[in-house]
Amino acid sequence: TQLLEQSPQFLSIQEGENLTVYCNSSSVFSSLQWYRQEPGEGPVLLVTVVTGGEVKKLKRLTFQFGDARKDSSLHITAAQPGDTGLYLCAGAVFNKFYFGSGTKLNVKP
Amino acid sequence: EADIYQTPRYLVIGTGKKITLECSQTMGHDKMYWYQQDPGMELHLIHYSYGVNSTEKGDLSSESTVSRIRTEHFPLTLESARPSHTSQYLCASSDGRGTEAFFGQGTRLTVV
Repeated sequence: TQLLEQSPQFLSIQEGENLTVYCNSSSVFSSLQWYRQEPGEGPVLLVTVVTGGEVKKLKRLTFQFGDARKDSSLHITAAQPGDTGLYLCAGAVFNKFYFGSGTKLNVKP
Repeated sequence: EADIYQTPRYLVIGTGKKITLECSQTMGHDKMYWYQQDPGMELHLIHYSYGVNSTEKGDLSSESTVSRIRTEHFPLTLESARPSHTSQYLCASSDGRGTEAFFGQGTRLTVV
């Protein structure tokens, strides 16, 4: 059973476009993280959100945690080829981390 | 920058061999985890530890075993490798708050 559902699974866009990736669940999380992973490497933590309704910005990336702490979104403004990778959301429940299936983003120059 | 290290990065081994994947962290984190991931797919938790001498099985059944004799070290062992064990193995650690996990670079295991 997938605890976290991510959408879309695949996204191929042109450089300069905006995009949003969604992470949804019926479970409540104490915190939610977003990671980016390159092929053959471990996931790298981008951000952690803890408070319902919280919005965090990291340069061109904007992360939002749902009010009920069940869902989150990642918005990228003016995507660049360097943003290409697998984006994973993860929810923390009782000190264990459950991962979504990921969104594979390809930004074409 | 997370200080968690996995060795080896890549391992190709024959069926039936015993292998140990190493994971060490220098952050003093109590909680450590092993995940299994097929290329481009989701991560599945196979083992976790909340401290020295504490180990638990994760949600995905695995024939591997782990030990936690020291805080900084969380090795994973396969007694008899099989081709079905071919995958990427990722080690992670988390501090006392448990709000975020930091990952090593992974070990890509191929069993032939």
